Order: sequence, then structure tokens, then C-alpha cells
Amino acid sequence: EAQVTQNPRYLITVTGKKLTVTCSQNMNHEYMSWYRQDPGLGLRQIYYSMNVEVTDKGDVPEGYKVSRKEKRNFPLILESPSPNQTSLYFCASSLYGAGSGYTFGSGTRLTVV
Amino acid sequence: SQQGEEDPQALSIQEGENATMNCSYKTSINNLQWYRQNSGRGLVHLILIRSNEREKHSGRLRVTLDTSKKSSSLLITASRAADTASYFCATDAQGGSEKLVFGKGTKLTVNP
Repeated sequence: EAQVTQNPRYLITVTGKKLTVTCSQNMNHEYMSWYRQDPGLGLRQIYYSMNVEVTDKGDVPEGYKVSRKEKRNFPLILESPSPNQTSLYFCASSLYGAGSGYTFGSGTRLTVV
Repeated sequence: SQQGEEDPQALSIQEGENATMNCSYKTSINNLQWYRQNSGRGLVHLILIRSNEREKHSGRLRVTLDTSKKSSSLLITASRAADTASYFCATDAQGGSEKLVFGKGTKLTVNP
């Protein structure tokens, strides 16, 4: 089944403890992107990638890192999480990028205490 | 930066009625997309309309685009309880950026 898989689905962590949210797609998509969703603010793009080793900042990149060493994987790294990064995170992938539709993962609900 | 703004923020209708949601945006676009999100789940791509198109259909969905008014509407005909979800518009701004910018969504409730 064609899908975007994120792990974990739920995560509670403490301030400052580095964490990684994994994202993998099995559709051979070139484009991948990370979004966070917060009440009243909607979805905001964190980072995106147009191909292996090509990444760029979205609207809210502060406090996050990404890497794209393989086409299928696009992990989101929080080096020193803070409570304001408590959010619902989505990874998405697309064959042709913003000019076509994105396929979203099921989300990761992160709580930083 | 938020590009699309949906209206209304919430909509409650009876099964069988039509639901109309609107989206306004600020800058010139290449295309506009609509997505559905069931509570807390991932978004599902519904339909894409390009800037040179005025109307598009997909099953019970009808999307219109008015680039002169920078607005779009999503019509769901003969709604069902299973259509209960939040609906988001997303715009792909002109200029070659890979950014897909989402609005804050319309929460649709279809009562059986």
C-alpha cells in the first residue's frame, strides 16, 4: 500500500532531550515536507526537501533540523526540544511537489514537558 | 505565513444537504488544493485546480476558482455523516517556491 509512515504516533519527552521523528515513504516521491499543526494556527511548514541532499526552510524552521540522505526517508530532528514545540506533526510526500497533491502521514503528537 | 483563509470556520448541516466552504488567498498562485482531515488524523488530498481553470468536479465535489477575486469554493453535494471532517485549502504560490501554504480550515459537521 502506498503510504507515508511516521513514527512514533505519540511521544512525551522532557525539555532538552534530543529526539527524532522518522518519516518514510514507499512511493518513490521526490518531494517531502514536514508540517506542524497547532490550534488556531493551522498547518505551518517546517522544512521541505526537493530531492536527496536538497532541503530548505519552511515558515517555522527554528529549533528543527532535517536530513535527506535517502529518497524514502526524511527524519525531523529536535536537538533541544522546548514546550513550545508541543504540537501535532505531519510528514508528507509528493511526486511533483507543490504543483501536485501531497500524501500525508498519520501524524505524530509530541508533548514536551 | 498564512495564505489561504477558509470561511466559515465551522459549518453544521443535515445529511443530504449541500455544504459550501470558501477560501480566500492573497498572492498569485499556480494552483489551489483542497484537503480533508478527520479528527487528529493525516490530511487527505481531495482535488487540485490550476490557476487557468475555473471549475473542476470529482464525484460529489465541485471546486471553483476565481483568480480575479483570489477565492475558491468547495461544494460537497448530498452530504453524508462520513463527510464530517475539517477541510483545508492550500495554495502553491507563483515564483517557483516549493511552499504549499495551508489555511486554518473549515470544520464541517454533518448530522445524521
